[in-house]
Amino acid sequence: GENVEQHPSTLSVQEGDSAVIKCTYSDSASNYFPWYKQELGKRPQLIIDIRSNVGEKKDQRIAVTLNKTAKHFSLHITETQPEDSAVYFCAGGTSYGKLTFGQGTILTVHP
Amino acid sequence: DADVTQTPRNRITKTGKRIMLECSQTKGHDRMYWYRQDPGLGLRLIYYSFDVKDINKGEISDGYSVSRQAQAKFSLSLESAIPNQTALYFCATSPGGAETQYFGPGTRLLVL
Repeated sequence: GENVEQHPSTLSVQEGDSAVIKCTYSDSASNYFPWYKQELGKRPQLIIDIRSNVGEKKDQRIAVTLNKTAKHFSLHITETQPEDSAVYFCAGGTSYGKLTFGQGTILTVHP
Repeated sequence: DADVTQTPRNRITKTGKRIMLECSQTKGHDRMYWYRQDPGLGLRLIYYSFDVKDINKGEISDGYSVSRQAQAKFSLSLESAIPNQTALYFCATSPGGAETQYFGPGTRLLVL
């Protein structure tokens, strides 16, 4: 089955800096890669996703890139703000709908 | 997201007890999932269901069972709870494959 590895497990940045979280996956059949944000005490919520026919996708300050050959994808957050502090999860899945999640990254943005 | 609800939100039980966690959704989605969240381990899939007649094991199904009573309801049971089942449990739904999953608020379970 699919295996998704996520790094780093913790990331600390200063407000205004950029943050990058990286994930690798094992199943070449995976074609859907969402990113979820989980604030303290809250449920995970989708922030951005990318499909295997696209190399990059942006939404305001966040972007995701996908390298199918290397089987890795990354989340980029620019101009970080304290409210970006949360746990971020990457995931990989197929059209069957089953997702495999990474272990999570605790992002802390210091004012 | 009030469209996916879980009951109870918190539960304390003792080793050996049987408990049920319930999930309901008003999104009209066919697909429902149960995940377990532990610190440093991410979200791990316990069971999933693609429609009322379809139940599938996830990566950590041992010690758990599920029931899909209707399109809108998916229950998770611990037949004989043990302390290492102490965790945060999330239900999720999705409209189809490779689509956004919508999570419930979670159930925090403590097994003593």
